[in-house]
This record gives sequence, C-alpha cells and structure tokens, in this order.
Amino acid sequence: SAVISQKPSRDICQRGTSLTIQCQVDSQVTMMFWYRQQPGQSLTLIATANQGSEATYESGFVIDKFPISRPNLTFSTLTVSNMSPEDSSIYLCSSWINEKLFFGSGTQLSVL
Amino acid sequence: GQNIDQPTEMTATEGAIVQINCTYQTSGFNGLFWYQQHAGEAPTFLSYNVLDGLEEKGRFSSFLSRSKGYSYLLLKELQMKDSASYLCAGTPGTYKYIFGTGTRLKVLA
Repeated sequence: SAVISQKPSRDICQRGTSLTIQCQVDSQVTMMFWYRQQPGQSLTLIATANQGSEATYESGFVIDKFPISRPNLTFSTLTVSNMSPEDSSIYLCSSWINEKLFFGSGTQLSVL
Repeated sequence: GQNIDQPTEMTATEGAIVQINCTYQTSGFNGLFWYQQHAGEAPTFLSYNVLDGLEEKGRFSSFLSRSKGYSYLLLKELQMKDSASYLCAGTPGTYKYIFGTGTRLKVLA
C-alpha cells in the first residue's frame, strides 16, 4: 500500500477566495488524480496530474477554476479558485500504485 | 457515457450476509473495483476483478461477469463496523476510474 498525505484536512473559506490543497505521496508515482465528492454523492474525477506536463481536465472542470501543479513525482497541489458555496465538497487526491487506486485522507471544504 | 449503477441504500443485521450489486455498460471496462468508505473518511480498497468469476478475501468476496456488465460484493458475518458506503468503480482501459453512485450499508444489531 501507499501513504498519501493531504492537507489541510478541512477549511472554512469565504466566497471569492482561493484555497490550495497539497498532496504528498511516500513514493514516486507517475499519475496523480484529483477527485471531488459532493455531499452524499460518489466521486467525480476533476483532473489527472502528470509530472512534466499540463494536467488533463475532465468535462465540466477547467484550469482557471482548478489549477493544478505537479512539480515532481511525489507531490501535487490543487487550487480551488474564486470559491462559491457550490464548491463546498470533499476534495481527494489519489494515485495509481500497483494497479490500485489509493486515496489521501481528503480535504473537507466549506465555503460561506 | 459509461454509467455504473448501484442500489442507494441497504440494511442488514449483524452476523448476516449481504450482497451489493453493481451494473454497468458492457463496453470498455478492463476491471471492476470495490471500495469501502466510512463517513468522513477516504475510500479504501477492498477488492478487484479483472476476469470473470469470484474473488474471495476473508469476509469479503467480489464477483464479475463481463458479458453481463454485472458485479457484486458479498459481505459475510456482518459486523457493526461494516456500516459504510461501498463504491464500485470501473477502469475504461486508462488509469482513470469511473465510480458508481455508492451504496450506503447500515448494519443493525
């Protein structure tokens, strides 16, 4: 298995501000993923973060709203920009390791 | 698109056996995974099937029929701690997972 550390674990933010979520993996991984889980819902993939290239975004998600960095093989960040209450959700980073998807502990975001 | 459907909620009694079904469109999935998610926590891996048939792992088993687009997770000797959401997910030949809607299981004493 792998250890994926994510922070902050939770935050309460004001409308119009931005929050950057950090994700650290304890081993080098090729692909990291960012998911969103809205209250009572399943997981929706936001984007795939590849080291050395721009992130690949899923339909409905854009770089201006969710900029992603992937500076090396163990680290990634997701920024939720210009937040609104609709962005209140759990954000999860994950990585594909040994043919399985492992998740970080998640960031519970509440936007007022 | 590739939809994955699961029952929304299920209830079972401690010590019993419960089967959580997952159906999906038959095209494109290379494997079917099951995850457990307790409230307020991240999903954790339970099992996966690449080939048709039953995979057993302790109290948990998972079954896959690729021709029928059908999988189930079988939980035996239910314990109170098994109360959680169970998510099935398919991999469409890439590293991306597509998650089902999730099934909230409530285990009663």
